[in-house]
Amino acid sequence: GDSVTQMEGPVTLSEEAFLTINCTYTATGYPSLFWYVQYPGEGLQLLLKATKADDKGSNKGFEATYRKETTSFHLEKGSVQVSDSAVYFCALRAAGNKLTFGGGTRVLVKP
Amino acid sequence: NAGVTQTPKFQVLKTGQSMTLQCAQDMNHNSMYWYRQDPGMGLRLIYYSASEGTTDKGEVPNGYNVSRLNKREFSLRLESAAPSQTSVYFCASREKGRPDSGANVLTFGAGSRLTVL
Repeated sequence: GDSVTQMEGPVTLSEEAFLTINCTYTATGYPSLFWYVQYPGEGLQLLLKATKADDKGSNKGFEATYRKETTSFHLEKGSVQVSDSAVYFCALRAAGNKLTFGGGTRVLVKP
Repeated sequence: NAGVTQTPKFQVLKTGQSMTLQCAQDMNHNSMYWYRQDPGMGLRLIYYSASEGTTDKGEVPNGYNVSRLNKREFSLRLESAAPSQTSVYFCASREKGRPDSGANVLTFGAGSRLTVL
């Protein structure tokens, strides 16, 4: 079945550091890929998405590129802020149109 | 613009008690979902409703029932709560659209934290 694997956290960084969260997937067909973010005490929000190979999703300084050859969708940000502290979820939508989530990666950015 | 509203936000139950989690969306979305979130396991789909009048099992439906009362509301019921159902529950909705369209994105509620003793 479909699955998403992302790096375990927590990831602790200093402000202005570079952030990478790895995400790889297994799916049939050609899935759409997503990153959702959950800020403390809130529900998940869509951060960015990509619907086909080589697409790059970007939002709020975050980027992720759909790499079909490596079945990956790694999330990156060049200079994190304290306000980026959250839990980040990689997800895919393949056949059947249901979302499959990874386990989430908690990111803590210290001033 | 309320989006997806869940109630209650917090609930403590004893084993064997029953309760219903309520969810309502005001975006005229067709599809609605219930997920549970457990540490290290991401979100797992419990039940979903592709449209008013239909419901289907997700990945972890055992111990739960759902009702799609109308287009706006989708409730989740625990008939006899167990400690294994201690979790954070999220309701979400989605506008029907092409899989690659911008509409094909879930909007989540703020979550309901349930503890079963």
